[in-house]
Amino acid sequence: HSALTQPASVSGSPGQSITISCTGTSSDIGGYNYVSWYQQHPGKAPKLIIFDFSNRPAGVSDRFSASKSGNTASLTISGLQAEDESDYYCSSYTDSSTLVFGGGTKLTVL
Amino acid sequence: EVLLVESGGGLVQPGGSLKLSCAASGFTFRDYSMNWVRQAPGKGLEWISYISGRSTTIFYTDSVMGRFTISRDNAQNSLYLQMNSLRDEDTALYYCARDGSGGSYFLDSWGLGTLVTVSS
Repeated sequence: HSALTQPASVSGSPGQSITISCTGTSSDIGGYNYVSWYQQHPGKAPKLIIFDFSNRPAGVSDRFSASKSGNTASLTISGLQAEDESDYYCSSYTDSSTLVFGGGTKLTVL
Repeated sequence: EVLLVESGGGLVQPGGSLKLSCAASGFTFRDYSMNWVRQAPGKGLEWISYISGRSTTIFYTDSVMGRFTISRDNAQNSLYLQMNSLRDEDTALYYCARDGSGGSYFLDSWGLGTLVTVSS
C-alpha cells in the first residue's frame, strides 16, 4: 500500500480554522471507517487525537474534529492556538490487514 | 499510566542484526495487540509490524517481510523486534505502540522510541 496523501504544510492564524486532507483509495480509507489522526510535536512521540474517523480520545480538545467522504478523510482544527503548531499524520486500516500512514502535514500557526 | 519503553537501538553495519525490546507497564499487556512503527530522520511515520495479544496473528509491511521478526513475551510484559539483513534505509527511530482495545485499528499509546542507525 502506498502512503496516504496529505498536504506537506498548512498554516493559519490564531483563532482561525484549518483543515488537513488525507487521500487514499478504496483499499484503505474508502473501504473502512478506521481512519485515525496523530499529532507529533518536534522530538516527541505521536499522540492519538482521532480514531475510527471521527472519535476523540478522552482528554483531546473538542477543537479537533474529523470526517470522511469516499477515499478522503479530513481533520479540522478550530480556534487555532499556538500549541497546535505540530506535525499531523493520518492513518488507515487496509485490506491487507495492515496500517498505512500519510506523509504528514506541518501546521504552522502564524 | 500506560508506559512503553523501547531499548536496543544503536549503530550497526549494513547486513547486520539488532534486536529491539519494548517494556510495557500500566496495563494488562496480554490483552492488547502491539505494533512497531518507525520514522526515518526528518521523514514521516511508517507502520512496520503487528502482533496480536496471544501472538496468533502477525503482519509485516512488505519492505521488512522476511528480514524482521516481531514477537512478545506476555510473562515479561515485553515486545520484541528482531531485525536481520539491515539496510541503510532501515535507519530510523523505532516506536513501540499499543493498539486500542477491542480489536481496534488505531495506536493509542506510544513509547519514546529507540534509534537504529545502519551505516558502514
